[in-house]
Amino acid sequence: EIVLTQSPDFQSVTPKEKVTITCRASQSIGSSLHWYQQKPDQSPKLLIKYASQSISGVPSRFSGSGSGTDFTLTINGLEAEDAAAYYCHQSSSLPLTFGGGTKVEIK
Amino acid sequence: QVQLQESGPGLVRPSETLSLTCTVSGGSISSGSYYWSWIRQPAGKGLEWIGRIYTSGSTNYNPSLKSRVTISVDTSKNQFSLKLNSVTAADTAVYYCARWIAVAGTGYYFDYWGQGTLVTVSS
Repeated sequence: EIVLTQSPDFQSVTPKEKVTITCRASQSIGSSLHWYQQKPDQSPKLLIKYASQSISGVPSRFSGSGSGTDFTLTINGLEAEDAAAYYCHQSSSLPLTFGGGTKVEIK
Repeated sequence: QVQLQESGPGLVRPSETLSLTCTVSGGSISSGSYYWSWIRQPAGKGLEWIGRIYTSGSTNYNPSLKSRVTISVDTSKNQFSLKLNSVTAADTAVYYCARWIAVAGTGYYFDYWGQGTLVTVSS
């Protein structure tokens, strides 16, 4: 099973600041890494697919990078509506797995 | 616009079987290259993939739950279902159904999710 380790677990950020969340895979997964945003009491929403590919309708302040075992989600210019938990997810092999999540709070 | 909706009992007794159904609307469950999955999330915790089914009936399960899980599909009703037997309090969670797209050139990931349903295991 591929284990995804996210850091940090929690981040309190001022609006307009840059947010960086990392996800490390226990073995190489190429670019088969996706990012989801989950707001309170909502289901997850796809933000970035295949490490860096943008999704239609997702604000351009969200971007992703990385390959192999190390990946990053960046939010350039945090907005109040970005308060949420963020999860990475790998589709390289079964069982499908998710990172433990990073909760982003707005100061 | 594809929509998924979970339904089923919100309370299950320990040692009994948890049964949930996901109804798909806005598209046929039989069309295209999609797998239909179940994912759960205990309160305040992360996401755990339970398993998935293809329209052919082919299934894949998380090894951690495989001995207790059955996922089935009813194409005539545009639904797929989850059964988890011998439940304990550790199975208390929000259960989501989700569509997994598997299209060469597009990719393999979850694109649509249901709103989730809370299932509590308690006597």
